[in-house]
Amino acid sequence: QSALTQPPSASGSPGQSVTISCTGTSSDVGGYNSVSWYQQHPGKAPKLMISEVSKRPSGVPDRFSGSKSGNTASLTVSGLQAEDEADYYCSSYAGNNNLVFGGGTKLTVL
Amino acid sequence: QVQLQQSGPGLVKPSQTLSLTCAISGDSVSSNGVPWNWIRQSPSRGLEWLGRTYYKSTWYYDYAVSVKGRITINPDTSKNQFSLQLNSVTPEDTAVYYCTRGQMRYGMDVWGQGTTVTVSS
Repeated sequence: QSALTQPPSASGSPGQSVTISCTGTSSDVGGYNSVSWYQQHPGKAPKLMISEVSKRPSGVPDRFSGSKSGNTASLTVSGLQAEDEADYYCSSYAGNNNLVFGGGTKLTVL
Repeated sequence: QVQLQQSGPGLVKPSQTLSLTCAISGDSVSSNGVPWNWIRQSPSRGLEWLGRTYYKSTWYYDYAVSVKGRITINPDTSKNQFSLQLNSVTPEDTAVYYCTRGQMRYGMDVWGQGTTVTVSS
């Protein structure tokens, strides 16, 4: 069982927006502005999409955005495109050199 | 452009040692304060951070509690690579293993291609 809770699935039609949640505790998500989001296509390594809650690394489309409220972080994908269909994972620093991950959300573009 | 290239066996017998290597191009294993990590992914355990090494005047090593005592991560400055050794493996250690660059607080920005390791006799 993963430390952070994500919905197992999410879906949306092309052009729509979808939001994926990531719920932790005050010891991880709520305690640090250190939430990252990763996109993983089948058979590939995860790719960093969001760091430090809401920062986009170079090359990541601005359709991807992140936020946090209390112990829950969120990833929003706007203007859904077919290539956004993938698994998405959140992670958070949890203090004492501890990194925790969510169980992943499968995003389907209808 | 930083790239990580993993190598190592895909099959390990129970009780033996899992050994993987991650060769770095475009950066240095000795870059000041840059952590080099090992992370694994399995259906039963999901993504799991295993440990890291980094250089900051001296070498530092941090390991996850779940594997402490069985794991060693070593930098090799002559070959610009780092390695993972996991001792006394069981079928529970079957997973895809990734090497990465990155800070826990800022995210893993570079990943190796992944190595599927199966623990089986």
